[in-house]
Amino acid sequence: DIQMTQFPSTLSASVGDRVTITCRTSHDISSLLAWYQQKPGKAPKLLIYRASSLESGVPSRFSGSESGTEFTLTISSLQPDDFATYYCQQYYRNWYTFGQGTKLEIK
Amino acid sequence: QAQLVESGGNLVKPGGSLRLSCAASGFIFTDYYMSWIRQAPGKGLEWVSVITTSSSFTKYADSVKGRFTISRDDAKNSLYLQMNGLRAEDTAIYYCAKTAAGGFDIWGQGTMVTVSS
Repeated sequence: DIQMTQFPSTLSASVGDRVTITCRTSHDISSLLAWYQQKPGKAPKLLIYRASSLESGVPSRFSGSESGTEFTLTISSLQPDDFATYYCQQYYRNWYTFGQGTKLEIK
Repeated sequence: QAQLVESGGNLVKPGGSLRLSCAASGFIFTDYYMSWIRQAPGKGLEWVSVITTSSSFTKYADSVKGRFTISRDDAKNSLYLQMNGLRAEDTAIYYCAKTAAGGFDIWGQGTMVTVSS
């Protein structure tokens, strides 16, 4: 099984801040990683796929990158609508695993 | 516009059974894998099961293997999850999701399953 470690679990930030969320996998997953945003009472929304590709309709302040088995979601300038919980997810070889989630709170 | 609508969630006693349904519209259902994902109250997301196109292959999380069965009816653009031997730890919102090459790109609104005596 591929293990996922996502951190931090909670992040406090202000509107306009640049924030970074990290996900580490136990094995190489050939860039097969996605990022999701979830707001309370709603289904998750796909933001980034294949580590760095922006899903259609997602604002360009969201970006993804990778370095080996470490993956990063960056929000370049936080907007009020961005305060939510974020999950990474790997989809290597038809096996799907989510990270533990990062709750992004208003400072 | 692509849409998924789940139904079938309910309160059920431990050991009981339930069948969830997911109706798809707005995309070519037969072209895509489909998955079930769940979220226990106040917890994170857990992938449950996936079914490939033409139902040729299915896969399950270890936590539900042998108890849950995923299926699809391409003629009805529908996905199903048969859940047997339900346990308290199966209590969750269950989402169906269109499973594309880039992850889960379309999600339903979810259906609540509560397992309690």
